[in-house]
Amino acid sequence: KAGVTQTPRYLIKTRGQQVTLSCSPISGHRSVSWYQQTPGQGLQFLFEYFSETQRNKGNFPGRFSGRQFSNSRSEMNVSTLELGDSALYLCASSLGSGGANTQYFGPGTRLTVL
Amino acid sequence: AQTVTQSQPEMSVQEAETVTLSCTYDTSESDYYLFWYKQPPSRQMILVIRQEAYKQQNATENRFSVNFQKAAKSFSLKISDSQLGDAAMYFCAYRSLNNNDMRFGAGTRLTVKP
Repeated sequence: KAGVTQTPRYLIKTRGQQVTLSCSPISGHRSVSWYQQTPGQGLQFLFEYFSETQRNKGNFPGRFSGRQFSNSRSEMNVSTLELGDSALYLCASSLGSGGANTQYFGPGTRLTVL
Repeated sequence: AQTVTQSQPEMSVQEAETVTLSCTYDTSESDYYLFWYKQPPSRQMILVIRQEAYKQQNATENRFSVNFQKAAKSFSLKISDSQLGDAAMYFCAYRSLNNNDMRFGAGTRLTVKP
């Protein structure tokens, strides 16, 4: 089975722009979660989508949004980029929602904001 | 809110030796899940081992085992017969039964010396 895929792998943007990141979960997985990883803050939960519905959201401003499609693929959007948004964005998929479901991670998208 | 603490920013082990990585967590919940993830330089997060809090038996996966002490809220990872490929950042993570986000520790960088 193919693993979690994320596109693009690397992205360079300038302040004020917006960006969309994509995540394709493992086949059959219906839950997709997004995390931001930075040297200063570590790994932080952004949000989770299950069956096209946002189930939970972390403590991030409204500039961070996401959605999930009927095929479980998910996109994350960041508007009005700031320098502090430079990070590795990780997507993880699981069969279902809730703690019993182990999350499997993709390789990440490295976003650099200049 | 649940917090996860990894008190060892860096650890080093000789090849073929055993090393233990520490993790403590804070929670008021009785049911939850604990994980160890490995992140090599490629940045792909890989699941190492998972423990259900309701199970008293410590989880084991080949050379990896945990020492789960629920009362002490401690969840350490033991790596036996360390191999060069074990060199990576190791993250301890907590996930509630019903909440959908995963809380990560700051990570421990493991170096394996030949």
